[in-house]
Amino acid sequence: ETGVTQSPTHLIKTRGQQVTLRCSSQSGHNTVSWYQQALGQGPQFIFQYYREEENGRGNFPPRFSGLQFPNYSSELNVNALELDDSALYLCASSLETMNTEAFFGQGTRLTVV
Amino acid sequence: AQSVTQLGSHVSVSEGALVLLRCNYSSSVPPYLFWYVQYPNQGLQLLLKYTSAATLVKGINGFEAEFKKSETSFHLTKPSAHMSDAAEYFCAVSLGAGNFNKFYFGSGTKLNVKP
Repeated sequence: ETGVTQSPTHLIKTRGQQVTLRCSSQSGHNTVSWYQQALGQGPQFIFQYYREEENGRGNFPPRFSGLQFPNYSSELNVNALELDDSALYLCASSLETMNTEAFFGQGTRLTVV
Repeated sequence: AQSVTQLGSHVSVSEGALVLLRCNYSSSVPPYLFWYVQYPNQGLQLLLKYTSAATLVKGINGFEAEFKKSETSFHLTKPSAHMSDAAEYFCAVSLGAGNFNKFYFGSGTKLNVKP
């Protein structure tokens, strides 16, 4: 049991819509990262939040945005959904120490139709 | 630049046989390396990690990996496969500085275990 929980587990949206995915980090972890895992691929880094501030971003457009709350939980928001956004979205929490392992949630499966 | 290459998108072994999953990395700095396992419809679970202490790293479920700097490799092995090992395995390299921690993942290797 990793302690990282994500909601919802599955979601179907229509192209052009907006979606919000949620993540509760493991107790004591103040860093949350989001990854996109397309079918048949490894996870790709979207961004990371540390103490409520975005402190790193991957190669994703601005319509991917996020928040981190004082309790270190986090949201991933995606606007203007495209078919290619269909993927498993993974949240990972870790301690602020660099190069430490990340603990992953079970993911949210987003399907855009 | 950092990258991870996993050779073989699918590996099939018989139950009781040796498991060998290959991972090569490129990193401009000394790497921190990880192996994660993903069961169907689940997130990633840490198997083991290399953080420059010992080159042979032991993980959970009988898995181990050896860091070989000269070969830029971090292959995952298990002496005897079990049916429960069937899953997808991801090698990852971590790039961190200060409080920033980003993982680069390989494309994964699906392990099939035959009875």
